Amino acid sequence: TQLLEQSPQFLSIQEGENLTVYCNSSSVFSSLQWYRQEPGEGPVLLVTVVTGGEVKKLKRLTFQFGDARKDSSLHITAAQPGDTGLYLCAGAGAGSYQLTFGKGTKLSVIP
Amino acid sequence: DVKVTQSSRYLVKRTGEKVFLECVQDMDHENMFWYRQDPGLGLRLIYFSYDVKMKEKGDIPEGYSVSREKKERFSLILESASTNQTSMYLCASNSPWTASGSSYNEQFFGPGTRLTVL
Repeated sequence: TQLLEQSPQFLSIQEGENLTVYCNSSSVFSSLQWYRQEPGEGPVLLVTVVTGGEVKKLKRLTFQFGDARKDSSLHITAAQPGDTGLYLCAGAGAGSYQLTFGKGTKLSVIP
Repeated sequence: DVKVTQSSRYLVKRTGEKVFLECVQDMDHENMFWYRQDPGLGLRLIYFSYDVKMKEKGDIPEGYSVSREKKERFSLILESASTNQTSMYLCASNSPWTASGSSYNEQFFGPGTRLTVL
């Protein structure tokens, strides 16, 4: 069974601070996705990383896929209250329809 | 714009009732999924379907069944609701193919149904 460990589980920071969320596994994934979920809503896809070592940027968010495709990180620069939400990483195994989800990081950005 | 809709945002049922949760997607996706989401446990897969009338058990199928009679619609059924089935239920869909080739299994989620069983 593939597992994805996310850390930290909770994060409360002041507006303007930087933060990094980690997603780690002992398994190799063919791709890894990051989702953001706001309270009372379903998760929304932010990005997919596919190649080991790949870095993708989405405005103030930077996503990196580990060289061995077992881990990923999400870095937010100058966090804003609108970044508040639950961040989920999810890995896709080769040839599988399913995703393995991490348990999420709940981020609160205080104005 | 891609869309996954769920029949109810909030639902309150009594123990022992039969409960139907409906999910519809307009993206012509082959695959559809039902998850439940609980604090501290994350998203857990209940059932998924990769084609009409096809279904596969996920990690926690006990107490649930599903139906997929049409490609766009995937129903989750709680045969006899119990209090431990109080949860947020999320439907998702995806396709193994994109216009450029194989997809990366990105899933598109509905807004969720918050089910309370009393």
